[in-house]
Amino acid sequence: NAGVTQTPKFQVLKTGQSMTLQCAQDMNHNSMYWYRQDPGMGLRLIYYSASEGTTDKGEVPNGYNVSRLNKREFSLRLESAAPSQTSVYFCASSVEGTNTGELFFGEGSRLTVL
Amino acid sequence: AQSVAQPEDQVNVAEGNPLTVKCTYSVSGNPYLFWYVQYPNRGLQFLLKYITGDNLVKGSYGFEAEFNKSQTSFHLKKPSALVSDSALYFCAVRDTGFQKLVFGTGTRLLVSP
Repeated sequence: NAGVTQTPKFQVLKTGQSMTLQCAQDMNHNSMYWYRQDPGMGLRLIYYSASEGTTDKGEVPNGYNVSRLNKREFSLRLESAAPSQTSVYFCASSVEGTNTGELFFGEGSRLTVL
Repeated sequence: AQSVAQPEDQVNVAEGNPLTVKCTYSVSGNPYLFWYVQYPNRGLQFLLKYITGDNLVKGSYGFEAEFNKSQTSFHLKKPSALVSDSALYFCAVRDTGFQKLVFGTGTRLLVSP
């Protein structure tokens, strides 16, 4: 049972380059999320998708775009990477329509922008 | 907006001693509160939650948390710490309108042998 799978696990980019972080979940969850984790700042929500076909901005969406490709997959794209986007990115999923609030996280993608 | 605060960057405790990791919250309406743990180079894992009911919530790995409405706190506790409990702990609150979570800044727990 894979749960939430993120690729790649590590990536180094130069300023201005673009890349896409991929996320897939096999738990049949409706809701998916992208967070970034920075030292001393905890986790901050970038974008989320309540259900297939919908996406919404979170706390720090600038510089990012997302695509909810289908129910399983939710990708995060950096169109023109900046050093401020150096971070660890986590994808998560949850069951919509409940009040459990339990998120299931991937292992993270560590991105360095030079 | 909903928010949580974790006032301690790090908590040190000796193995076998009780541990407490603090969290206070600010919400409008009823709070939905959570604790997550992150081991090195891993994603976050759910530990426990408070939605309603008993103020003492039991969770995974022997952890529990006490909800205190008058003090707006939701402290994580364990009666006897293990070295393997050493990790980063996050408190979180459910945001209004949708099932997304707002996380605190995290508290690093170090349990010494």
